[in-house]
Amino acid sequence: KAGVTQTPRYLIKTRGQQVTLSCSPISGHRSVSWYQQTPGQGLQFLFEYFSETQRNKGNFPGRFSGRQFSNSRSEMNVSTLELGDSALYLCASRTGTVSYEQYFGPGTRLTVT
Amino acid sequence: EDKVVQSPLSLVVHEGDTVTLNCSYEVTNFRSLLWYKQEKKAPTFLFMLTSSGIEKKSGRLSSILDKKELFSILNITATQTGDSAIYLCAVEALDDKIIFGKGTRLHILP
Repeated sequence: KAGVTQTPRYLIKTRGQQVTLSCSPISGHRSVSWYQQTPGQGLQFLFEYFSETQRNKGNFPGRFSGRQFSNSRSEMNVSTLELGDSALYLCASRTGTVSYEQYFGPGTRLTVT
Repeated sequence: EDKVVQSPLSLVVHEGDTVTLNCSYEVTNFRSLLWYKQEKKAPTFLFMLTSSGIEKKSGRLSSILDKKELFSILNITATQTGDSAIYLCAVEALDDKIIFGKGTRLHILP
């Protein structure tokens, strides 16, 4: 069974630009969560989508948005990039609501200059 | 505000030593506590704890939860260089939100 995949793996953007990251969950998984990981703040929850609906949202500004498609693939968008958005963005998928079945992707390393 | 606090933030020990990693939490409507190991990029699941006092064990790793004092520990005995990683503690609430701690960076010296 293929794992969670994320594209691109690395990205360099400049301040003010926008970026879209993609996550393909494990086949059969309907829930996709997004996290931001930085050395200072650790792993912070962005949002979770389940069956194309946002189920939970963390404490991030509206510049961070996401969506999920009918095939469970998810995208995350960050508009008007700031230097502080430089981070590793991880997505994780799970079948439904059982946490221990959450599998993480390799992440997208975003650098904002 | 819900929070998960891990300590220490970093730890350096010699191969063969035993380490104890700590995780305390203040989370409304607690459902479960999770431990993950992150070596390069993707965190991998170690344990899920829901009940107090019941030790979960996998090889040299073990973990226990105290729901009265709101903490958990992760023990690693006879450490090996392959145990070097960031260990993440997370708490899941009943509304499915998951709050992660900042992690403990463990480095094992040969």
